[in-house]
Amino acid sequence: QSALTQPPSVSGSPGQSVTISCTGTSSDVGSYDRVSWYQEPPGTAPKLIIFEVTNRPSGVPDRFSGSKSGNTASLTISGLQAEDEADYYCSSYTSSTMVVFGGGTKLTVL
Amino acid sequence: EVQLVQSGAEVKQPGESLRISCEGSGYTFTNYWISWVRQVTGKGLEWMGRIDPTDSYTNYSPSFQGHVTISTDKSIGTAYLQWSSLKASDTAIYYCAASRSGWDFFFWGQGTLVTVSS
Repeated sequence: QSALTQPPSVSGSPGQSVTISCTGTSSDVGSYDRVSWYQEPPGTAPKLIIFEVTNRPSGVPDRFSGSKSGNTASLTISGLQAEDEADYYCSSYTSSTMVVFGGGTKLTVL
Repeated sequence: EVQLVQSGAEVKQPGESLRISCEGSGYTFTNYWISWVRQVTGKGLEWMGRIDPTDSYTNYSPSFQGHVTISTDKSIGTAYLQWSSLKASDTAIYYCAASRSGWDFFFWGQGTLVTVSS
């Protein structure tokens, strides 16, 4: 099972919006609304910020939103803040009853 | 408050065996799948496999099948990840993560650093 494809890095200025893509196949992202997104600040454990494509856990700001079209899911962060600087990972359930992660995207707030 | 507390860092030699643990608290242990996730320093997250503590059903990523074993002791609310013969390439941080569904990880342990070196 290959990792999902994410851009290695994205950047934006405070207040701007950025979007991170996550491309899979018809065996994972394209077939299931079971895409999650995780935020991993340096030196800390990952934190769930989006589950089942569009849902936010309690306590996650509504600046974070998710969507999906075909085999590609996306995470949009609006109103960028300095504290959003972190690595972001997508994941998806697969037809092999496994979970696969994306390669990760480093977000830099300029 | 849900917490997953992992065992401490380990330094081992190639060929040695190892078991690390993940103790859950603040929730009904059997209500959440436990997955293990590997992160090599400077690299991304890799899903290794998961276990349903209710009946110990497991499934593994092909990348890790046969090299690690995931187990639980539901009587003490603890999950384990073990190796019978470590390799230098097993050097990484290992996270446990809890999920109601099995695929979205709402709660994470703090990570256990495993270093394998001669």
